[in-house]
Amino acid sequence: AQSVTQPDARVTVSEGASLQLRCKYSYSGTPYLFWYVQYPRQGLQLLLKYYSGDPVVQGVNGFEAEFSKSNSSFHLRKASVHWSDSAVYFCVLSAQGTGSKLSFGKGAKLTVSP
Amino acid sequence: GPKVLQIPSHQIIDMGQMVTLNCDPVSNHLYFYWYKQILGQQMEFLVNFYNGKVMEKSKLFKDQFSVERPDGSYFTLKIQPTALEDSAVYFCASSPWDWGDTQYFGPGTRLLVL
Repeated sequence: AQSVTQPDARVTVSEGASLQLRCKYSYSGTPYLFWYVQYPRQGLQLLLKYYSGDPVVQGVNGFEAEFSKSNSSFHLRKASVHWSDSAVYFCVLSAQGTGSKLSFGKGAKLTVSP
Repeated sequence: GPKVLQIPSHQIIDMGQMVTLNCDPVSNHLYFYWYKQILGQQMEFLVNFYNGKVMEKSKLFKDQFSVERPDGSYFTLKIQPTALEDSAVYFCASSPWDWGDTQYFGPGTRLLVL
């Protein structure tokens, strides 16, 4: 079985500060990993995804994530956040052999303060 | 980007009644999904659907649940009869292909069963 853990349910950072949202996964094989963002009253939108290659993957709006097989992690980072980044961020895993079933973390609600 | 629409956005229904949740997926996508999120909990996979058939379903996909997409119209999730524990936000998603492909999500239907 596979699972995703996001240890920080709520994160508050000041505008212009750097951000890291943590994600740990549990899966014995090689997963597809995603970060999605959800703005109020909207569907989830893909920020970035990783399967293989360079462990640092670039996404939209200046986000990037780093995969670590040894740590079973896929942390999301941004160098300088903007107030419009306030949203809920989900770390998501797709395990090989399970078709397209996605396993979600609980999400991290990011608030960017002025 | 591609949009998935869900109708209605909110639904309040009495326990025991039938409800149909409608999803308008991205037009050229072949795979369709439903996910369920109970307030404060993780989003969980319910079912995926391809070529007119359920490919995979989770233990949350009870016998009272059914999905269909007649003649390329809406992809629907029907619950008959509803139970109190069916109260949740239901998200529809679609993707061009299956494993590892990006799933595009709708904004969700908030279902309240009284």
